Amino acid sequence: DARVTQTPRDKVTEMGQEVTMRCQPILGHNTVFWYRQTMMQGLELLAYFRNRAPLDDSGMPKDRFSAEMPDATLATLKIQPSEPRDSAVYFCASGLWGQGDTEAFFGQGTRLTVV
Amino acid sequence: GQNIDQPTEMTATEGAIVQINCTYQTSGFNGLFWYQQHAGEAPTFLSYNVLDGLEEKGRFSSFLSRSKGYSYLLLKELQMKDSASYLCAVRDSNYQLIWGAGTKLIIKP
Repeated sequence: DARVTQTPRDKVTEMGQEVTMRCQPILGHNTVFWYRQTMMQGLELLAYFRNRAPLDDSGMPKDRFSAEMPDATLATLKIQPSEPRDSAVYFCASGLWGQGDTEAFFGQGTRLTVV
Repeated sequence: GQNIDQPTEMTATEGAIVQINCTYQTSGFNGLFWYQQHAGEAPTFLSYNVLDGLEEKGRFSSFLSRSKGYSYLLLKELQMKDSASYLCAVRDSNYQLIWGAGTKLIIKP
């Protein structure tokens, strides 16, 4: 049962602390997305990787956010320092695109609360 | 700019039919997706259209007109569990997904 796995599921942290969220995409998928979802904004794209190379991170606040794919089985999203306005649900999604295109499969998300 | 429009909220009755519309303006087109998202959960894939016409999958159907930049999701024989948000997304020429804000569907008994 292939699925996108995200850790942690929930994170409560104090303002100013570093937060790292992890995502294991489905094996064989070549495209990975990081999204942030709030009640007010809907799904916002933060970063987008194809074959581990970043293609678009224009939606990400560069002064505090960073996204990487150290290998094909791991994508990370880091916030340093975190702020209360970063409180949201962060989703990772993966797909096989450009080669018989699948849909994007979403992980269960990380619910981040910054106090 | 790129834009996806869908109604914010709709209400329908259990057992009835509802149509959720989506209009889009994007830089190129490489397919349109519909996702369902229950409160507190991740979006899950419902349907995909890349050619004009109707795609049917059980109680759910999705229609696409590329010339009009228009799609709809049709839900038949509504059940209470269909209460959720329905997200329309277009894959553009850069293979980016452009998302609508979602339509919250409320089903009443």
